[in-house]
Formats: sequence, structure tokens, C-alpha cells
Amino acid sequence: GAGVSQSPRYKVAKRGQDVALRCDPISGHVSLFWYQQALGQGPEFLTYFQNEAQLDKSGLPSDRFFAERPEGSVSTLKIQRTQQEDSAVYLCASSLERQFYGYTFGSGTRLTVV
Amino acid sequence: QKEVEQDPGPLSVPEGAIVSLNCTYSNSAFQYFMWYRQYSRKGPELLMYTYSSGNKEDGRFTAQVDKSSKYISLFIRDSQPSDSATYLCAMLRGGSYIPTFGRGTSLIVHP
Repeated sequence: GAGVSQSPRYKVAKRGQDVALRCDPISGHVSLFWYQQALGQGPEFLTYFQNEAQLDKSGLPSDRFFAERPEGSVSTLKIQRTQQEDSAVYLCASSLERQFYGYTFGSGTRLTVV
Repeated sequence: QKEVEQDPGPLSVPEGAIVSLNCTYSNSAFQYFMWYRQYSRKGPELLMYTYSSGNKEDGRFTAQVDKSSKYISLFIRDSQPSDSATYLCAMLRGGSYIPTFGRGTSLIVHP
């Protein structure tokens, strides 16, 4: 596609519920990043994929967060047993390489945990 | 204290004004300095980046880096209502690929 597509755009989850957020990167983009952006804050790095390999997951805040990209294209970020502090916009970015200047961000998924 | 500090604003200016947006940082290892624009309900988009100190100009936008003061600026000339957005600064250590973002400054340009 023309850009990075994320779905759903909005998600309301009850505390304790599991959620799955999808990212469809630009076709051919090798690198894929997930970021978390809390209200009024800048994006914070979560994890990085090169093709299907998850090369960096140092930003995942707890073991409730899990990401995958099994075929090197679409990626899913899963959050288990959601908590109120998980409420944020989750941004996905893709790039031909991992350099920051090549990033294209999606519009994000706004997760609200009630 | 965060590594990158940025006043959240909002900053409200009339159309045509010169806008100055700023960030300070504490980590002297930062070598790349970026400015992103984020419209409401959209992802950030890279406006400009500079390596090390100095100025860089691109149309109505000028980025300045003063490493001695650990201070960076983005100037917008002849501001337009379409410039209304949140402007995020971001910085990168040499050899890293994960930027550290500021919290963003909300800019409102009114007609």
C-alpha cells in the first residue's frame, strides 16, 4: 500500500482483557518498529524487527507485551491482561533499512483500558 | 530528569509570524538531531535532521543545533494555519538507531 496501515484505529478494552494490534507496513520495507505514545508524551520505543526476526525488544515494558512478524510483513503487537497504564497510542513505523530518516509512521491505534 | 526536555505549550501565534521551537538535552553523546511534525490523530513525520552542530535550512524551516549549550531550535518563517501541529524533537546517539523523543510542543497558527 501507499503507507503504513494500522488497525483498529481505536480500541477500548476492559482491564484484564487481551488485545491484538495490527500493523501493515509499506510493501518491501524490511524494518518495522513499534512505539508507545502516552498522552502528551513523545513516542517511546518498544521493539524492532528486521524481516521476521525480532532483533530488539528492549523497550517492551513487561512480559505482558508480545510482538510478532511471522512472515516478515504484517506485524501484531499483543498485550495480555491489559492494565490502565497501557492506555496510549501504539505507533508502527516501517523503513527500507533501520535508519531513522527512512521511517514512515502509521496513524496509530489508540488503546483505552477502562 | 528526562534526557530531552521540551515545553509542551501550546504556543499560539498569528499567521505570518516567525515561530521558534526549542529543546534542551542532557546526554552529550547525542549526534543526530531531528524535528518531527505530528498532526492530530496521525503519526509523526520527519521534517529535518542535522548531524552534530550547525544550521540547516529547508524552505520556511531552519534547524539549529548548539552542542555546547545542549540546545536545539526549529524556526518556522511565515507561519501558516496548516503548520498547526505538535512538533517533536528527537535525538540519536552515534551507532544507535532508536531516537529519544521530546514530549512535543503544540503549535497553533491562527488566521
